[in-house]
Amino acid sequence: GAGVSQSPSNKVTEKGKDVELRCDPISGHTALYWYRQSLGQGLEFLIYFQGNSAPDKSGLPSDRFSAERTGGSVSTLTIQRTQQEDSAVYLCASSYPSGSTDTQYFGPGTRLTVL
Amino acid sequence: AQTVTQSQPEMSVQEAETVTLSCTYDTSESDYYLFWYKQPPSRQMILVIRQEAYKQQNATENRFSVNFQKAAKSFSLKISDSQLGDAAMYFCASVNFGNEKLTFGTGTRLTIIP
Repeated sequence: GAGVSQSPSNKVTEKGKDVELRCDPISGHTALYWYRQSLGQGLEFLIYFQGNSAPDKSGLPSDRFSAERTGGSVSTLTIQRTQQEDSAVYLCASSYPSGSTDTQYFGPGTRLTVL
Repeated sequence: AQTVTQSQPEMSVQEAETVTLSCTYDTSESDYYLFWYKQPPSRQMILVIRQEAYKQQNATENRFSVNFQKAAKSFSLKISDSQLGDAAMYFCASVNFGNEKLTFGTGTRLTIIP
């Protein structure tokens, strides 16, 4: 079946603007994750959604970052008043809980450039 | 807190040869999982191999195998018969059971020499 999809693939914005990044998880996957990959760095956890439970927002770097997941499927990561340090690749992943820790399947990411 | 360390920023190997990528980790938990992901220029993170900490047997997937040394907290990836398509960034990652948040190393860039 289809994998995790993300849009846009690339986004260039001006400092101070708001941006929205979209993630479509694999159909049937109830868990959804957002990670950030800054240049030359590994991936940094941002936020985690599991079913109808309250999301784990412990990785969000500031209150300019927020995310929602509508209908238990599509998720949107919003960055308000973007700063140059927000430039990074934002990766989304999904998984299907199977009683143990589950493999996360990643999308192709959105490369965000803040000028 | 978990940490994952990849001490080799770059590695290169001749096509058809074998290469080993190193990874060490630190966790206070006894039940955890370890992963190797591959990230080609397309940016998509692709799962290469997964190891459950409670399993003593090293995981293998075709040309890819791991050397899991639990006491030493080491989790290296061996790629046999290297192919041009193996060129990518390789990330080691860990997650504690029930936590779900992957912790990644900083990656190793693997170059395959024709």
